[in-house]
Amino acid sequence: ELKVEQNPLFLSMQEGKNYTIYCNYSTTSDRLYWYRQDPGKSLESLFVLLSNGAVKQEGRLMASLDTKARLSTLHITAAVHDLSATYFCAVHNTNAGKSTFGDGTTLTVKP
Amino acid sequence: SQTIHQWPATLVQPVGSPLSLECTVEGTSNPNLYWYRQAAGRGLQLLFYSIGIDQISSEVPQNLSASRPQDRQFILSSKKLLLSDSGFYLCAARYYGYTFGSGTRLTVV
Repeated sequence: ELKVEQNPLFLSMQEGKNYTIYCNYSTTSDRLYWYRQDPGKSLESLFVLLSNGAVKQEGRLMASLDTKARLSTLHITAAVHDLSATYFCAVHNTNAGKSTFGDGTTLTVKP
Repeated sequence: SQTIHQWPATLVQPVGSPLSLECTVEGTSNPNLYWYRQAAGRGLQLLFYSIGIDQISSEVPQNLSASRPQDRQFILSSKKLLLSDSGFYLCAARYYGYTFGSGTRLTVV
């Protein structure tokens, strides 16, 4: 059974600071997703990572994938209040045709 | 790109009443479709997924069922709702990544 562990689950940070969210998973996978969810809203796709060493960046967010370590990171650079949300990683199991989501990291950026 | 239409946005139902949530997909054919539930603002629990018409896989034994009568239509149902069925229900389609509908917040009272 594929297990996905995100940490931290809750993160409070000051504007302008940097931080990293970690996503560990238990079995091999061919793709990993990152999503953002604002309170009371649905999930919005941020990144799809397909191969070892993949790195994608959008604004102040950068995601990377290390398939050998079974680890993905979401790095936040110079955080701003608008980044406050819950971030989920999801790991896809191609054979099963489905993904397993982490429990989410709730990020609060304080002025 | 895909668009997921999901309705209603909110629903308050009494215990023991039936449920029908509908999801339709635009922009792609033969998508993999998924129903997730999110409780108390935490992680997503996969309830059902479908790789084609009338092909449904159930992930969690429960009070709910799903059907896919057409390629782009996915329906979540219950004959008798329980209090524990309350939550935020999300329909999703997967082509490259997942595209989620806007969600239905169900409160069972």
